[in-house]
Formats: sequence, structure tokens, C-alpha cells
Amino acid sequence: KNQVEQSPQSLIILEGKNCTLQCNYTVSPFSNLRWYKQDTGRGPVSLTIMTFSENTKSNGRYTATLDADTKQSSLHITASQLSDSASYICVVSETGGYNKLIFGAGTRLAVHP
Amino acid sequence: DVKVTQSSRYLVKRTGEKVFLECVQDMDHENMFWYRQDPGLGLRLIYFSYDVKMKEKGDIPEGYSVSREKKERFSLILESASTNQTSMYLCASSWGSGGVNYGYTFGSGTRLTVV
Repeated sequence: KNQVEQSPQSLIILEGKNCTLQCNYTVSPFSNLRWYKQDTGRGPVSLTIMTFSENTKSNGRYTATLDADTKQSSLHITASQLSDSASYICVVSETGGYNKLIFGAGTRLAVHP
Repeated sequence: DVKVTQSSRYLVKRTGEKVFLECVQDMDHENMFWYRQDPGLGLRLIYFSYDVKMKEKGDIPEGYSVSREKKERFSLILESASTNQTSMYLCASSWGSGGVNYGYTFGSGTRLTVV
């Protein structure tokens, strides 16, 4: 069964610190992997999207990595800010059919002053 | 920027009511989707549409129907709301034909409570 698992489920860090969120997937055949940020009560907003051939992609202080061999991805946040407090969702798209998106349950990040 | 607008941020409905959730996108996207999001679970696909008047069932279509009379508008209908349909509902749109999805963009969500 195609699945996307994220860890940790929740995380608390102090402002200015770095953190890394993990995503493991079993989706096959693989098309691409996306990271979304979702503020409380809002819809998800895209941070990065990576295809099979890409191992790293950055968006400001957010850097995503992808290891297609081990089917793992990470999202690294540098110099965290209070506004980074949100849920981060890993989404994997499978090829074929209608390129179905499979969502992880998300990691809830709280950045404290 | 693509804008996906959901008509209501919060809704409270009674059990048995017929409920309409509206979604409009302004970038001429072919594809539109309805998801529900519950704590501890990933987003789950309810229905999707790749063209006007076309609809396909997602993973959890039971208790829901949809309507797409115009390209920019995709409505989710709860024929007879039940308390287990209390959830956050998210609409999304994308472009690309033949089952390809680019530029997936979500609306802000509608938090529905059925009492």
C-alpha cells in the first residue's frame, strides 16, 4: 500500500534554532515529492517540489532533500522564526492514472521565543 | 498568483441538512479536487474533476456528491449531513491534462461542524 510517514509528529524548538523534519514513503511508481506548510486554520501552501532526479531544493530558509533510493526526504529549517510555527506536510505523487497525491499526516512545529 | 477561494471559513449545520461547500479558482485550471482533513490523518481525497461536468470518486466519496457546471467552480454536496462529517474541507486546483497535475494550489479551507 502506498504510504507517506512523517516524523516527528510534533516538535518544539526555540527561535533561531535549526530543525529537520523527516518523510519516508513507499509510493511507487514515484513522480515527485512536495513539502507544504499549513498555518492553523488555513490551506497548505507549497514550499518545494522535487522530481526523481533532484536531491536538494531550497526556498529561502527551507531546504528539502530527497533520496529516491532509500525513499526518504527531509525538510531543514534554518534560523527558525516564530512565523515558522505551522504543520509541515510531505506529499508524494505517483505516476500514471491521475498522478494521485498521497499525503503524510504532517509534523506540527512550534517555535517558541 | 492562483487564487482558490472557498466561500465559507466556518460552517455549523444540523444533522440531516443538505450542505453545499463552494470552491472557485481564477486561473483557468482544468483540474479541481475536494479533500477532507482530520487530526492525525493526512488529507483524504473525496472527489475530483478534470473537466466541466466530469467527476471521479476519490478515496472516501461515501456521503458526498459534487457538481462542476463551470470550469472555475467545483461544489461539494453533503446530501444529509452527519456528525462524522465534521471536518476541515479543502479544495484544490491544478493545471495539466491527461491526468497530469501541475501547480497544485489549495484554498483556505472550510471548517464544518455538524451538530
